Amino acid sequence: GIQVEQSPPDLILQEGANSTLRCNFSDSVNNLQWFHQNPWGQLINLFYIPSGTKQNGRLSATTVATERYSLLYISSSQTTDSGVYFCAAALGGNTPLVFGKGTRLSVIA
Amino acid sequence: DGGITQSPKYLFRKEGQNVTLSCEQNLNHDAMYWYRQDPGQGLRLIYYSQIVNDFQKGDIAEGYSVSREKKESFPLTVTSAQKNPTAFYLCASRITGGGQPQHFGDGTRLSIL
Repeated sequence: GIQVEQSPPDLILQEGANSTLRCNFSDSVNNLQWFHQNPWGQLINLFYIPSGTKQNGRLSATTVATERYSLLYISSSQTTDSGVYFCAAALGGNTPLVFGKGTRLSVIA
Repeated sequence: DGGITQSPKYLFRKEGQNVTLSCEQNLNHDAMYWYRQDPGQGLRLIYYSQIVNDFQKGDIAEGYSVSREKKESFPLTVTSAQKNPTAFYLCASRITGGGQPQHFGDGTRLSIL
């Protein structure tokens, strides 16, 4: 099956700094999503982005499907951005998402 | 409000006991999924169902069972055969067909007494 790898595994930022999280996947995908898991365990859907670029406030994401990677950009980070960021991908049809191991982000004031 | 409802939020299991986790959605989604998350880890797929009365095993199905008698409901039973059930369980759903994201419920935390 598809393999999803995220880097870095851990990231510590000063408040106000920018960061880039990377997701590599092993096969062609028709679904790629980025999630933020908050301290209560809720998975917040950030982006559905099998290809192209999207922006939502201070967050943006780019997926280059032909090169099998996706990037999540966080600008002007805030302490509320802390948590774990997951990338998940799926092959064609209705196949389930396969998750990476996540990037644990800590933003300190 | 449309969404995915998981209950209970917290559940405790005694040795040798089966417990059932509920997942209900009112999004009219065809496909539903169960994932398990261990501390500090990503999510792993237990079971999924693309249509009523049909379901497939995921990567870690041993010790679990599911049913899909109604489109909106996909309960997960953690049986006594699952020797390490302590984990966070997340249910998801999506519309079938390409180009649609998966949506997740808020999860159930299961612990052994």
